[in-house]
Amino acid sequence: KAGVTQTPRYLIKTRGQQVTLSCSPISGHRSVSWYQQTPGQGLQFLFEYFSETQRNKGNFPGRFSGRQFSNSRSEMNVSTLELGDSALYLCASSLAPRAGNEQFFGPGTRLTVL
Amino acid sequence: AQSVTQLDSQVPVFEEAPVELRCNYSSSVSVYLFWYVQYPNQGLQLLLKYLSGSTLVKGINGFEAEFNKSQTSFHLRKPSVHISDTAEYFCAAAGGNEKLTFGTGTRLTIIP
Repeated sequence: KAGVTQTPRYLIKTRGQQVTLSCSPISGHRSVSWYQQTPGQGLQFLFEYFSETQRNKGNFPGRFSGRQFSNSRSEMNVSTLELGDSALYLCASSLAPRAGNEQFFGPGTRLTVL
Repeated sequence: AQSVTQLDSQVPVFEEAPVELRCNYSSSVSVYLFWYVQYPNQGLQLLLKYLSGSTLVKGINGFEAEFNKSQTSFHLRKPSVHISDTAEYFCAAAGGNEKLTFGTGTRLTIIP
């Protein structure tokens, strides 16, 4: 079974631009979560989607948004990029949004904002 | 709300020596506990998890962890480390409807 895939793997953008990251979960998984990983803040939860609905949202500004499609694929969008948005963005999928379910992580998209 | 504390940001260990990576959690509800490993330029991979039952949990790559409710700890151990264990290790907790909360990570460096 294929793992979680994220595209693109690397992105370079400039301040003020917007970016869209994509995540394809493991087949059969309906829950997708997004995390931001930076050296200073560690792993921070962005949001979680299940059945095309956002179930949980972390403490990030409204410039960060996401959505999930009927095939469970998910995208996240960051508008008006700032230097501090440079990070590794990780997507994780699980069968359903239950606390004990294992989350399977993709390799991440490394975003650099210049 | 729940929180996870990893007490050591970096741990150097000689090859074939034992290692313990410490993790403490706090939560107002029952929690599930996880250890993930992240190799350079990769995502996170689950090492082991505690949901209920036996407090000693065995995972992949020879790692194990012990859930201690009274000390609110979930320390990760391996009796003999290898060069290939060099990575960053994250402890995480999830409970109720809450999201998975990660600790700040411990960088394990194996010294040949």
